[in-house]
Amino acid sequence: GQNIDQPTEMTATEGAIVQINCTYQTSGFNGLFWYQQHAGEAPTFLSYNVLDGLEEKGRFSSFLSRSKGYSYLLLKELQMKDSASYLCASMDSNYQLIWGAGTKLIIKP
Amino acid sequence: GAVVSQHPSRVICKSGTSVKIECRSLDFQATTMFWYRQFPKKSLMLMATSNEGSKATYEQGVEKDKFLINHASLTLSTLTVTSAHPEDSSFYICSASIGDTEAFFGQGTRLTVV
Repeated sequence: GQNIDQPTEMTATEGAIVQINCTYQTSGFNGLFWYQQHAGEAPTFLSYNVLDGLEEKGRFSSFLSRSKGYSYLLLKELQMKDSASYLCASMDSNYQLIWGAGTKLIIKP
Repeated sequence: GAVVSQHPSRVICKSGTSVKIECRSLDFQATTMFWYRQFPKKSLMLMATSNEGSKATYEQGVEKDKFLINHASLTLSTLTVTSAHPEDSSFYICSASIGDTEAFFGQGTRLTVV
């Protein structure tokens, strides 16, 4: 079956670094997405990885290992506004997104 | 990035009435549009996938007669919740994609049925 696993909740300190992991098992693979979702709002796109390696975009970076079915989102220099849920989604062979349950990130001062 | 506009952002309706939610891609032609539903503290649940000019493909367990989806053009898809009941209260989100790359999300619609 298809499955996406990510931690339910994480806590980090303002100014620090946090890594949110995601493992996936999907029928075929056409890329791994990370989205940020603030409470009551729609998700916003953060990153898309289809090749192995690290993609850096400002304070946020995303890593993919296709052989391990593993990705992580790295957030640096954490700010209070980064408190949100982070959704990992894998695109399967039918170009359909399979969503994880999301990781709630709590930032403390 | 591309913009997807979803309207209304918030709606309250009486039980038994129907509600229409619009999803528009403002600066691109969306080959495929997706409709999701999100329950509190849960992940997004795909309800249906629609391609312009053809019938929507509904996920298992989603009643197609209750959640009517129309994708009349490459820039507009609508979701109509018919004969709404309190259990239909939820956050509904649409997304549109160009080919097989990232999906762009609408702002979401919070539906409350009283």
